[in-house]
Amino acid sequence: RKEVEQDPGPFNVPEGATVAFNCTYSNSASQSFFWYRQDCRKEPKLLMSVYSSGNEDGRFTAQLNRASQYISLLIRDSKLSDSATYLCVVNFRQSMNYGGSQGNLIFGKGTKLSVKP
Amino acid sequence: ETGVTQSPTHLIKTRGQQVTLRCSSQSGHNTVSWYQQALGQGPQFIFQYYREEENGRGNFPPRFSGLQFPNYSSELNVNALELDDSALYLCASSLGDRVHEQYFGPGTRLTVT
Repeated sequence: RKEVEQDPGPFNVPEGATVAFNCTYSNSASQSFFWYRQDCRKEPKLLMSVYSSGNEDGRFTAQLNRASQYISLLIRDSKLSDSATYLCVVNFRQSMNYGGSQGNLIFGKGTKLSVKP
Repeated sequence: ETGVTQSPTHLIKTRGQQVTLRCSSQSGHNTVSWYQQALGQGPQFIFQYYREEENGRGNFPPRFSGLQFPNYSSELNVNALELDDSALYLCASSLGDRVHEQYFGPGTRLTVT
């Protein structure tokens, strides 16, 4: 089972549509949760962190359900510029021998969104 | 822009060769993480360097190795290249383990023929 699984996509929607992305993660000890956006042939960029209480940033709303190990992203009133691949990301921080910690990002495969006029 | 730079931007190598990729971290960041992103996949963690020491490693063979320098820039070395090593290689810099503040460079696209 993959550590982070996302809707396979792609999603093709008209401008103005509401789009929902779903993601599940397997490690219940995961500590931080994010949605990243990646444009074609570019690096991933942080879209938003995801908190247990849910959080909103303009047209974007993220939700986290720790009991179900489920993360979602909702985009309302989609724009042409929202076309990109959306990556669900979790972090699990490990304690290291020197007393510090190490954290790496675990990415899902991504879901491609195309918003059409 | 993130202030993280990578070189070269594109590279073509032959199977069996060795390659070195470079990353300059954002000013003030002491941690560099390297990721491999194959076509159609999400990035996969290779390893992380913190203050010039390897600070965790993903599921990659020993022919993937790295270095971090006193100025916190970093190198990724891959020996005995295989066709499946063709991918976008991303580095991300951060301060310590603040993963939520991990900024990615533009990547190096490696093609192995």
